[in-house]
Amino acid sequence: DTAVSQTPKYLVTQMGNDKSIKCEQNLGHDTMYWYKQDSKKFLKIMFSYNNKELIINETVPNRFSPKSPDKAHLNLHINSLELGDSAVYFCASSGGPRNEQFFGPGTRLTVL
Amino acid sequence: DAKTTQPPSMDCAEGRAANLPCNHSTISGNEYVYWYRQIHSQGPQYIIHGLKNNETNEMASLIITEDRKSSTLILPHATLRDTAVYYCIVRRSTGTASKLTFGTGTRLQVTL
Repeated sequence: DTAVSQTPKYLVTQMGNDKSIKCEQNLGHDTMYWYKQDSKKFLKIMFSYNNKELIINETVPNRFSPKSPDKAHLNLHINSLELGDSAVYFCASSGGPRNEQFFGPGTRLTVL
Repeated sequence: DAKTTQPPSMDCAEGRAANLPCNHSTISGNEYVYWYRQIHSQGPQYIIHGLKNNETNEMASLIITEDRKSSTLILPHATLRDTAVYYCIVRRSTGTASKLTFGTGTRLQVTL
């Protein structure tokens, strides 16, 4: 069983479109995250939700809107896509005594 | 969260121990040292963490100096599958979420 899964794995789209990336975790964790890894491989946190409540928002343009329908899911919707949004987006969840973060396989977004 | 400094790259022969250093001279008393690795654009994977005592698990050992200003991750018998970027991260829990601030990491190349 995959602990943290993301769909789609690859996403190619035109500038100006709106797209969503889905994330699901089956670890029973309360906290989920979205990270962005750009072409230079820097990995930066974007958002964090705890029990469906937004608790971290790292100066991300408001074209990015996370949505957590329940604590096992954290989706990322992006409006009016720009070239600079091209990156790999990783979802993660955390919990348990070590509070380690488990990452999904990533979604490679390419904006043309 | 405290900043960390790591060498950009290291090589290690397969079967030998890989010792990856990390400086975190501004670490605070309540901050932990975490190590993650990222294998070829997969999602980052937790390795180990510690506060002030040395730690060992099935993957690696973590040696933290007495003043806590530096640490070393040890992979006792490196294999080709250990080739990855290794990130040393210092963090404290911020309530229910704990964001990870990734640096540039050390690219470890394990060779035959």
